[in-house]
Amino acid sequence: EPEVTQTPSHQVTQMGQEVILRCVPISNHLYFYWYRQILGQKVEFLVSFYNNEISEKSEIFDDQFSVERPDGSNFTLKIRSTKLEDSAMYFCAVEVGTDTQYFGPGTRLTVL
Amino acid sequence: GENVEQHPSTLSVQEGDSAVIKCTYSDSASNYFPWYKQELGKRPQLIIDIRSNVGEKKDQRIAVTLNKTAKHFSLHITETQPEDSAVYFCAAPRKGSGAGSYQLTFGKGTKLSVIP
Repeated sequence: EPEVTQTPSHQVTQMGQEVILRCVPISNHLYFYWYRQILGQKVEFLVSFYNNEISEKSEIFDDQFSVERPDGSNFTLKIRSTKLEDSAMYFCAVEVGTDTQYFGPGTRLTVL
Repeated sequence: GENVEQHPSTLSVQEGDSAVIKCTYSDSASNYFPWYKQELGKRPQLIIDIRSNVGEKKDQRIAVTLNKTAKHFSLHITETQPEDSAVYFCAAPRKGSGAGSYQLTFGKGTKLSVIP
């Protein structure tokens, strides 16, 4: 199983503030994903990233969200102006082989 | 797009008994079906998966069966132990239009409680 780290483990922010969540896959991967999980609910797809560009995004991934891989290793998710409803666990995932996705430990985002 | 239904939402079993969780999917083109286990506050952890070219796959006490005609797949846990207590999610892939575009659509999860 590939090792994926995410920082921070917990982020508390005020509504309207910008947050950046980071994902660091240890091995070279081509496909990256961000998912979110509101407390007690199912995991929901946000965005897929391939060859350094967005491949697909869900309806959740609106203009407040952006992703990039600035230095070829870190994979970041930015929320420009956080809302209360953005409070959730955010998971980075990498694809290994065909179809198989492994999740990072997640970042708990709390918006006050 | 893909729609995944999962049942039951909660399941309580006595230690040593078997547990079965069922999922249905809508996209007949789906060909890969993973199951994830999520303990409280932790990440979803892949425990077993199956591809559409096989009907059953086993890994020690867990197994997954797939019925492509009926578009459903099931997770079977035998000889359940307290450490099997967790939320289990099924998922199915949905190919998008972009290159490398592939997302997992998850079921709503089953909270399994194994009673010692």
